[in-house]
Amino acid sequence: GQNIDQPTEMTATEGAIVQINCTYQTSGFNGLFWYQQHAGEAPTFLSYNVLDGLEEKGRFSSFLSRSKGYSYLLLKELQMKDSASYLCAVLDSNYQLIWGAGTKLIIKP
Amino acid sequence: IAGITQAPTSQILAAGRRMTLRCTQDMRHNAMYWYRQDLGLGLRLIHYSNTAGTTGKGEVPDGYSVSRANTDDFPLTLASAVPSQTSVYFCASSDFDMGEQFFGPGTRLTVL
Repeated sequence: GQNIDQPTEMTATEGAIVQINCTYQTSGFNGLFWYQQHAGEAPTFLSYNVLDGLEEKGRFSSFLSRSKGYSYLLLKELQMKDSASYLCAVLDSNYQLIWGAGTKLIIKP
Repeated sequence: IAGITQAPTSQILAAGRRMTLRCTQDMRHNAMYWYRQDLGLGLRLIHYSNTAGTTGKGEVPDGYSVSRANTDDFPLTLASAVPSQTSVYFCASSDFDMGEQFFGPGTRLTVL
């Protein structure tokens, strides 16, 4: 079966750095997405990785290792508004997105 | 309008009733999707459409039907609602079937 694993919940301090990991086992791979979802709202796109390596976009970076079936989302200089759930999703061989359950990130002052 | 709209925002429905959730996008995206999101689970794909006139089944299609008569609209119908269909439903669209998906604000449905 297809499986995406992420930690259920993480806590970090305002101003710090946090890394959210995602491991996947899917039938084929056509890219990995990270989305942010604030409570009661819709998911919004953060990043897309299809090749190995690090993609940086402001305070957020996303890393991919296809051989290890592994990705992480790195958030720097955490702000209170970063409190949200972060969803990892893999585009499988049928070009359908397989979603992880999400990681709830709690930022403390 | 800009982006994707969904209606209603929320609904309480008696079991056995028929219900259609509406979704409209104005981005001229080819692909559209319906997901349900339940606590502790990831988004699960119900149905999708890669282009107007075509639809496909996702991971959890039973009890749901869709149609795609034109590019902009993608309604989801529950023919006879059951309590297990209580969930938050998100409609999404993408420019092509590999691209970034844009989500509507969601419909919170409670079936009693």
